[in-house]
Amino acid sequence: QQQVKQSPQSLIVQKGGISIINCAYENTAFDYFPWYQQFPGKGPALLIAIRPDVSEKKEGRFTISFNKSAKQFSLHIMDSQPGDSATYFCAASMAAHEIIWGAGTKLIIKP
Amino acid sequence: NAGVTQTPKFQVLKTGQSMTLQCAQDMNHEYMSWYRQDPGMGLRLIHYSVGAGITDQGEVPNGYNVSRSTTEDFPLRLLSAAPSQTSVYFCASSSPSRGESYNEQFFGPGTRLTVL
Repeated sequence: QQQVKQSPQSLIVQKGGISIINCAYENTAFDYFPWYQQFPGKGPALLIAIRPDVSEKKEGRFTISFNKSAKQFSLHIMDSQPGDSATYFCAASMAAHEIIWGAGTKLIIKP
Repeated sequence: NAGVTQTPKFQVLKTGQSMTLQCAQDMNHEYMSWYRQDPGMGLRLIHYSVGAGITDQGEVPNGYNVSRSTTEDFPLRLLSAAPSQTSVYFCASSSPSRGESYNEQFFGPGTRLTVL
């Protein structure tokens, strides 16, 4: 009930391509779905987040697509760049101090 | 504004040794957490605190102790280090908010711990 399943575990995309990372959850009480980006040797940092009352949120080249009925959400990175190479975590939250993390996706953008 | 700071950055321990990982934040956040990150396992919550004097266990608390005597500091103690505790440890802080960045976690740079 509390799990967030993230796929794929790793992803290689050519420069300029679209990177897509998927997450699924089970608990419908979750009300906040963030994505975090982590560069090697650094802590994760919030990239973009969405609430379940909207189906899509876009910030620059990063878009979250949210499907409430399927209990799935995904991160799309358009025109992927080598600087986007990082580990990406999806998460789900229902309280200020309670956040459930996906296992992470290591993204490599090939020049 | 330094954000969340952690010391040390790297540490090597022998099995059975004890140590304290330090974490401090200057954002006046009520909530602080400790995570460990292992390959393929994401971020696993060790302990968390919702305010000074209040702590609780997370997903993987065994072998670790915490205390929260001030809003700023949240040290993590390894009581008797074991090789299974080899990991990267992250401290995070957050503040309850219903705004756009609801529950945004601010992470420190991490401590890479090796237990031999």
